Amino acid sequence: AQSVTQPDARVTVSEGASLQLRCKYSSSVTPYLFWYVQYPRQGLQLLLKYYSGDPVVQGVNGFEAEFSKSNSSFHLRKASVHWSDSAVYFCAPPRTGGLSGKLTFGEGTQVTVIS
Amino acid sequence: DTTVKQNPRYKLARVGKPVNLICSQTMNHDTMYWYQKKPNQAPKLLLFYYDKILNREADTFEKFQSSRPNNSFCSLYIGSAGLEYSAMYLCASSRPRDWGYEQYFGPGTRLTVL
Repeated sequence: AQSVTQPDARVTVSEGASLQLRCKYSSSVTPYLFWYVQYPRQGLQLLLKYYSGDPVVQGVNGFEAEFSKSNSSFHLRKASVHWSDSAVYFCAPPRTGGLSGKLTFGEGTQVTVIS
Repeated sequence: DTTVKQNPRYKLARVGKPVNLICSQTMNHDTMYWYQKKPNQAPKLLLFYYDKILNREADTFEKFQSSRPNNSFCSLYIGSAGLEYSAMYLCASSRPRDWGYEQYFGPGTRLTVL
């Protein structure tokens, strides 16, 4: 079964600084990969997705992520964070097998942007 | 319109009482999911409907029930709420055979059991 690791539970970053959030998944099969974000008191929103092709994918609000098959990773980054980026970020590869569309969510990284 | 709606947004329930949460989508997605989300934890898949077929996760099989009267609506039912059910409940929908695994989430229902 697929597993996903987000090693950083909490990250604090200054406004205007860069941000990188790490994600590693276990499957040897190149999967679809997603990053979701949960703003305070809201549901999850899709930030970006990788299906195939260029390993660097662009998302909303200036986020991008880079897929690495050799490292089984899908790290998220942003060049310059804004206070509104404070949220919880979840990496989510699909569970392997079947066409149910089930995702495996990491435990999330809480990002706090300070001024 | 990629909106998933959930009602109510906030629910207060007494221990031992039933709880019914509602989700709707108008994207003609064939699959609808229910997740439980507690603070500092990953969203936990409880069950999903593919078309009219209900699939419940093994470790929550007896705790949650669901119904899907038509393609657009899906409910989550708790027969007897316990304190441990206090959480955010997230509904999502997708059409995995056509669009891969991208799921669209609703805003969630925050359930508090007292």
